[in-house]
Amino acid sequence: EPEVTQTPSHQVTQMGQEVILRCVPISNHLYFYWYRQILGQKVEFLVSFYNNEISEKSEIFDDQFSVERPDGSNFTLKIRSTKLEDSAMYFCASSAQGSSYGYTFGSGTRLTVV
Amino acid sequence: DAKTTQPPSMDCAEGRAANLPCNHSTISGNEYVYWYRQIHSQGPQYIIHGLKNNETNEMASLIITEDRKSSTLILPHATLRDTAVYYCIVRVQGGSEKLVFGKGMKLTVNP
Repeated sequence: EPEVTQTPSHQVTQMGQEVILRCVPISNHLYFYWYRQILGQKVEFLVSFYNNEISEKSEIFDDQFSVERPDGSNFTLKIRSTKLEDSAMYFCASSAQGSSYGYTFGSGTRLTVV
Repeated sequence: DAKTTQPPSMDCAEGRAANLPCNHSTISGNEYVYWYRQIHSQGPQYIIHGLKNNETNEMASLIITEDRKSSTLILPHATLRDTAVYYCIVRVQGGSEKLVFGKGMKLTVNP
């Protein structure tokens, strides 16, 4: 079964550093998403991306965050200057036809900001 | 999107059917019911969705009441690997792309 692949599985970074979380969506999917889950809390939407642009973003997704699909296969989330409160599991997801038909999520990257 | 209510937890014996309830009394006519699950901090997994007819796939069945104010996700033969947090989400198809996850319901399948 096709999978969404996320790397690395765990990343530790110092506060103030930039991090890039990487995702390889399912190859024929057109819609891409990032979610995060702070330990013990709900899964939260960050951003959706379609046709090479952001289609929707949440209040969490401020100027410190950006997304990119640099080469037609990868989908990245960049956090410019990490804060302690950015520590969370970050999940990438993709969908062939949009969220109406269900997403496939990756297994996540655990980001720890120290 | 309409709000959903799920019990916080439920236990089920391995091999038995697990019936997971969800109330969505304020659902509107163009809102679908979606179910996802999350196994121990892995990414959420899509299970099934429906509008008003009952739906079945290889993972589960979704029974939606005639008034659409509640639904039940049925795992016909629960296994230990079905232990997870199950999320019932109501949303308009074709509207916002985001999914709004609540706290969900922890299903524990016991041997």
